Amino acid sequence: EAQVTQNPRYLITVTGKKLTVTCSQNMNHEYMSWYRQDPGLGLRQIYYSMNVEVTDKGDVPEGYKVSRKEKRNFPLILESPSPNQTSLYFCASIRQGRTDTQYFGPGTRLTVL
Amino acid sequence: AQSVAQPEDQVNVAEGNPLTVKCTYSVSGNPYLFWYVQYPNRGLQFLLKYITGDNLVKGSYGFEAEFNKSQTSFHLKKPSALVSDSALYFCAVRDGASGTYKYIFGTGTRLKVLA
Repeated sequence: EAQVTQNPRYLITVTGKKLTVTCSQNMNHEYMSWYRQDPGLGLRQIYYSMNVEVTDKGDVPEGYKVSRKEKRNFPLILESPSPNQTSLYFCASIRQGRTDTQYFGPGTRLTVL
Repeated sequence: AQSVAQPEDQVNVAEGNPLTVKCTYSVSGNPYLFWYVQYPNRGLQFLLKYITGDNLVKGSYGFEAEFNKSQTSFHLKKPSALVSDSALYFCAVRDGASGTYKYIFGTGTRLKVLA
C-alpha cells in the first residue's frame, strides 16, 4: 500500500530534550515536506526537500532541522524543543512533475512541557 | 509573496443543499491551486487541483472548484451536501513559475452539514 508513515504518533517531552520525528514514504517520490498545524493558523510549511541532499526552508523553519540522506526518509529534528513547538506535525510527499498532489502522513502530536 | 485567504472559519449547510467554501489567493507568478480535506484525527487528503486548462475542475467525492483569475478565487463547491462531508477544508497555493515546492495553506474552513 502506498503510504507516508510517521513515528511517533504522539510524543510528550520536556523543554530542551532533543527529539526526532521520522517520516518515510514508499512511493519513490522525490519531494517531501514537513508542516505544522496550529488552531487558527492552518498548516505552515517548515522545510521541504526536492531530492536527496536538497533541502530548503519553508515559512517557519526556526527551531527545526531536517536531513535527506535517502529518498524515502525525511526526519524532522528539534534540537532544543520549546513549548511554542507544541503542535500537530504532518509529513508529506509528492511525485514531481505535473501531478503536484501531496500525500500526507497521519500526523504526530507533539507536546513540549 | 504568496498568500491564501479562507474568509470563513465555519460554514453550516443543510444536507442536500449546495455548499460553497471560499478561497482567494495572491501569487506573483503562476498559481497552482489545491483543496485538501481533513477528517477528525486524520491526515489531509487531496480533493482537487487547478494547474492549467479548464477553469472548472472536478475532484473526489463530487466536489468541484472554479478558478477565477480576475477575482483571484478558487471556491470549492458541491451541488448537494452530505453529512459525511463535514470536515475541515484547506485551500493551498504554489507558485508554479518559481521552480520551488513552497506551498501556502489557508487557515481552514470547518464545514458542518446538518441532517
